[in-house]
Amino acid sequence: NAGVTQTPKFQVLKTGQSMTLQCAQDMNHEYMSWYRQDPGMGLRLIHYSVGAGITDQGEVPNGYNVSRSTTEDFPLRLLSAAPSQTSVYFCASSYSTTPSGGAGTQYFGPGTRLTVL
Amino acid sequence: AQKITQTQPGMFVQEKEAVTLDCTYDTSDPSYGLFWYKQPSSGEMIFLIYQGSYDQQNATEGRYSLNFQKARKSANLVISASQLGDSAMYFCAMRLYSGSARQLTFGSGTQLTVLP
Repeated sequence: NAGVTQTPKFQVLKTGQSMTLQCAQDMNHEYMSWYRQDPGMGLRLIHYSVGAGITDQGEVPNGYNVSRSTTEDFPLRLLSAAPSQTSVYFCASSYSTTPSGGAGTQYFGPGTRLTVL
Repeated sequence: AQKITQTQPGMFVQEKEAVTLDCTYDTSDPSYGLFWYKQPSSGEMIFLIYQGSYDQQNATEGRYSLNFQKARKSANLVISASQLGDSAMYFCAMRLYSGSARQLTFGSGTQLTVLP
């Protein structure tokens, strides 16, 4: 199993450019999420998905779009990049929602470091 | 809404000593899970340990244990016999298991430095 993979690892954009961060998992997890991590801070939820065809907004969704056409893939689109979107982006996935035995533990990809000039 | 508080921005511990990293949480939901993640300087997020709100016993995973005090809403991470490789940022997180907000909420983290 590759787990959760993210591409690219690093990206530099100019203000106003658009791009897609890719995320894929091979664990057949229902839940997938995108987080951003700014310097010295914890992770903040951007968007999440509870299954193919179902997405919802997290804490900081503005400026980002997502879609979930398959169980495996959950791309994050930056519509018009801004310097405030300079951050490290993490994708995560997990099984569903029972609270026993560690179910629901989210596994993270290696992250994408994005700089917007 | 749920909230996670980590009040120790930085901690130091001597190699081979034990250390406790504090975490308090706030939720009115009875069904939740508490997680600890380690983030070394390389940047990846590594899952360490999990505690469910209905679990009767404190979780343990090798040198990691979770001191879960439900009435006080605290979920402190205890690392025994610290090693130099334990130097990293540690995040406490919570996930609800009801309603639509089922994703992780993170604390601001504690930077642990293990001294030789």
